[in-house]
Amino acid sequence: QPALTQPASVSGSPGQSITISCNGSSSDVGSFNLVSWYQQHPGKVPKLIIYDVYQRPSGISSRLSGSKSGNSASLTISRLQADDEADYFCCAYAGSATLGLLFGGGTKLTVL
Amino acid sequence: QLQLQESGSRLLRPSDTLSLTCTVSGGSINTVDFSWSWIRQPPGKGLEWIGYIFYSGADYYNPSLQTRVTMSVDRSGSKNRFFLEMTSVTAADTAMYYCARSIGPTVTTRFDPWGQGILVTVSS
Repeated sequence: QPALTQPASVSGSPGQSITISCNGSSSDVGSFNLVSWYQQHPGKVPKLIIYDVYQRPSGISSRLSGSKSGNSASLTISRLQADDEADYFCCAYAGSATLGLLFGGGTKLTVL
Repeated sequence: QLQLQESGSRLLRPSDTLSLTCTVSGGSINTVDFSWSWIRQPPGKGLEWIGYIFYSGADYYNPSLQTRVTMSVDRSGSKNRFFLEMTSVTAADTAMYYCARSIGPTVTTRFDPWGQGILVTVSS
């Protein structure tokens, strides 16, 4: 059971906005601004889309945004497009180097 | 542009030792600005961080795997490689194994870029 909890699936229509949650604890998400999000299309390599809670790597669309409140982080995708259909994983620092890093179980985004 | 490529044993028997190499091109692994990571993904499942290592040799492992995992860096000239060894594998270790650059001089969740991955199967 992953320590970071994500919904198994979310869906939305083109043009709409969706939000994917990543629920952690006061030891990880709640304590550090070290939360990243990865997008993975079927059969492809995971791709970094958000880091340090809300930072976007170069080349990532501004339609993607990250945030955090308390022990929960969120990824919001606005103006949904067909190509957004993919799996999304959150990743958070787990409180100390000896505890390491945690991934969420992943969320399947379906664009209707 | 930095690229990473995994190589190594793809089919193992239970109790074998998994040995993987990640070859980095387009940049040097001899830097304090990045560390070098292994992440795996069982078929149809989510991602699991295995560990990362700095060129200095400082390493950090997933506590659930650390008794079986060792990472190292090739410092012999310009080979630009780092390695993963995992002992006593079982079917539960069957997964796609990715190597990736971890961005930052200390702990980070920022992995970019990733290798294409290598599927390792453990079966009797």
